[in-house]
Amino acid sequence: GNSVTQMEGPVTLSEEAFLTINCTYTATGYPSLFWYVQYPGEGLQLLLKATKADDKGSNKGFEATYRKETTSFHLEKGSVQVSDSAVYFCALTGGFKTIFGAGTRLFVKA
Amino acid sequence: EAQVTQNPRYLITVTGKKLTVTCSQNMNHEYMSWYRQDPGLGLRQIYYSMNVEVTDKGDVPEGYKVSRKEKRNFPLILESPSPNQTSLYFCASSSPGTDRYTEAFFGQGTRLTVV
Repeated sequence: GNSVTQMEGPVTLSEEAFLTINCTYTATGYPSLFWYVQYPGEGLQLLLKATKADDKGSNKGFEATYRKETTSFHLEKGSVQVSDSAVYFCALTGGFKTIFGAGTRLFVKA
Repeated sequence: EAQVTQNPRYLITVTGKKLTVTCSQNMNHEYMSWYRQDPGLGLRQIYYSMNVEVTDKGDVPEGYKVSRKEKRNFPLILESPSPNQTSLYFCASSSPGTDRYTEAFFGQGTRLTVV
C-alpha cells in the first residue's frame, strides 16, 4: 500500500539557516503530494502541493519538487524565521485516501 | 469564510460514556474524513465518507462510528470510549476538483481525554 516516510525531529535551527526536511513515499498510480503545517494549538493547513512529476510547489519561501525517479518530495527553505516553528507533515493523496508522514517538529531560535 | 468546524475543542470523559464529536463544513465538499493524531504516529485515518450515506473504514476504525446524513455534517461517535482513545482528533474535508487530488481542509481539532 501507499506510505510516506519523513525525517524524524525535532529539527532545531538558528534564524536565517537553511532548512531541509526529507520526505519519501511509496505509491501505486500517480498520487498528489502535499506539505501541511501545524502551528501550536491549531489544525493542519496546506503549505504547498504538487500534482505530477517534476512539479514544484512553493509558498511563503518554502519549496518542494515532486521527484518520481527518487520518490521524494523534500521540503526546503533558504532562510527560516522564528515564526516558522511548527510541525510539518508530508502527505500523499491517491483517490479518497490521504496518507500522512509522522510529522517533523521544527524549532527556530532567534 | 470557508471552514471546517469541530465541537467540542476539549473533552474529558469517563470510560464507557457515549460521546459524539461534531464536524461541519461550509464548502459543499464531497469528501470528509476523521483522523486521530498521536505522538510519533502522525495522522491516522479513522473513517471517511465519499458523499451522503457513503462511508468506509480507514486504518483505525475500531471503537468508532460515523454517519453522513447531510453533506455538510460528519459526526464521529464513540459508543463506549476507552482510555486508548485518548487522542487529538481532526475532521477534514475536500473535493475532487479539476486539478486531480485537491488538498484537505482541517478543523481546529478536538482533544479528547478518556479516564
